[in-house]
Amino acid sequence: QSALTQPPSTSGTPGQRVTISCSGSSSNIGNNFVHWFQQLPGTAPTLVITLNNQRPSGVPDRFSGSASGTSASLVISGLRSEDEATYYCASWDDSLSARVFGGGTQLTVL
Amino acid sequence: QVQLVQSGAEVKMPGASVTISCKASGYTFTDHDINWVRQAAGQGLEWMGWMNPDSGDTGYAQKFRGRLSITGDTSTRTAYMELRSLTSDDSAVYYCTRGWDPWGQGTQVTVSS
Repeated sequence: QSALTQPPSTSGTPGQRVTISCSGSSSNIGNNFVHWFQQLPGTAPTLVITLNNQRPSGVPDRFSGSASGTSASLVISGLRSEDEATYYCASWDDSLSARVFGGGTQLTVL
Repeated sequence: QVQLVQSGAEVKMPGASVTISCKASGYTFTDHDINWVRQAAGQGLEWMGWMNPDSGDTGYAQKFRGRLSITGDTSTRTAYMELRSLTSDDSAVYYCTRGWDPWGQGTQVTVSS
């Protein structure tokens, strides 16, 4: 069981806005930054949001992130077919002294 | 550009050990932690541990303590992950990452008799 909780799947149509949630606790999201990764099938994860809401260079501004209390969200606006992937949230957990990941959310673009 | 290149796929017998290398380029090796993460087939990401290449300090996830070692060679800008006493549950793709990004291309480890 993952320390961070994500919905297993979500979907949207092209152009739509989708939100992926990530729920944690005071020892991780509540006290540390959240990072989001996109993983396409058969490839390594890539960072799409860091430090709760910062987009690394090259990531489209359709991707945005936020965090409040012990939860975080990734929002993808203007959904495109190439956004179809699995998304993971991650943070540091002070109690475990470990990085923790969510279980991943499979995004399907209908 | 910043790049991490990992060693190739491994096939191991149960009980054996595996060592994977991760060669860094495009940045100052000692300025960033190296982390190791694994992913079993069809499963999520599992963090294993980290190393500070400058100090040599390490930290390991509880479930791997005692059979995981992460080391680094600053002269070759290479990090190493050794996992011992392998079982079939250790079959997975193993990734190194610089901090949170970028990630190496992954190394498939298969444990089978």
